[in-house]
Amino acid sequence: EVKLLESGGGLVQPGGSLRLSCAASGFTFSDYPMSWVRQAPGKGLEWVSSSGSGGGQWYAESVKGRFAISRDNSKNTLYLQMGSLRAEDSAVYFCVRRDNNGYLYFDYWGQGTRVTVSS
Amino acid sequence: QTVVTQEPSISVSPGGTVTLTCALTSASVSTSYYPSWYQQTPGQAPRTLIYNTNTRSSGVPDRFSGSILGTKGALTITGAQADDESDYYCVLYMGSGISMFGGGTKLTVL
Repeated sequence: EVKLLESGGGLVQPGGSLRLSCAASGFTFSDYPMSWVRQAPGKGLEWVSSSGSGGGQWYAESVKGRFAISRDNSKNTLYLQMGSLRAEDSAVYFCVRRDNNGYLYFDYWGQGTRVTVSS
Repeated sequence: QTVVTQEPSISVSPGGTVTLTCALTSASVSTSYYPSWYQQTPGQAPRTLIYNTNTRSSGVPDRFSGSILGTKGALTITGAQADDESDYYCVLYMGSGISMFGGGTKLTVL
C-alpha cells in the first residue's frame, strides 16, 4: 500500500524558514517523480514544486528562489526547504506522487501538513 | 499569463447529469496537456478521479467520465449522487515539469 506521510509543518514568523518532510512507503521511491501541492485556507489547490526521478527540480513562479525541493532515495523521503516565508505561503502542504508511466498526473496524495506564517 | 479556469460552482439534481469544464486562457485544451481531475471534500486530501483525459483511476465509479469538449477538458458525472457533492479540480501538464491547477468547481447536489 502506498503511503505518504508529511511532517514538519507549524507556525513560523514572516521571513523565517521551515523544512517539510515526506516519508514514502509501499513503492520504489527512486522510480517516481514526486511533488508538493499546497492549499491555502479556503482556497484551491496550487502546484508548488516537483522532483523528477532523474534529479530535475521544477518550481511554481510564486516560490521560485525561496523554496528548494530535494529527495533522499536512501531514506525514501522527499523534502521541501522553505525560506523567506510570507503570509501567503500559509497553507496545507500535500506530498504527492506523480505517475511514472508517462501520464503526468498525481496518483497518490498524503494527508498534508499545515504551515502558518504569522507574527 | 496562462490561467486554467473552471466554473466556480455548479448545481445538479440527484440522478442528473452534469459537466464540469477546464479551460486555458491562452490555448485550447487538448490531450497533449494530459488533463486530470481530482475530487476533494472538506478537510480531506484530494482523490484522483481521471487521468490522461479519460482514464478512470482505480476504484472510481463509471458514472465519472472525462473528455475533451470543443476547446476544453471536461468531467461528466452521469447519475449524480449526494456524496458527489465536493470540490473538483482539473490539472493540466504545461511541460517542463510544470503542472497547473484550475481554480476548482464546487458541485452541489440538490
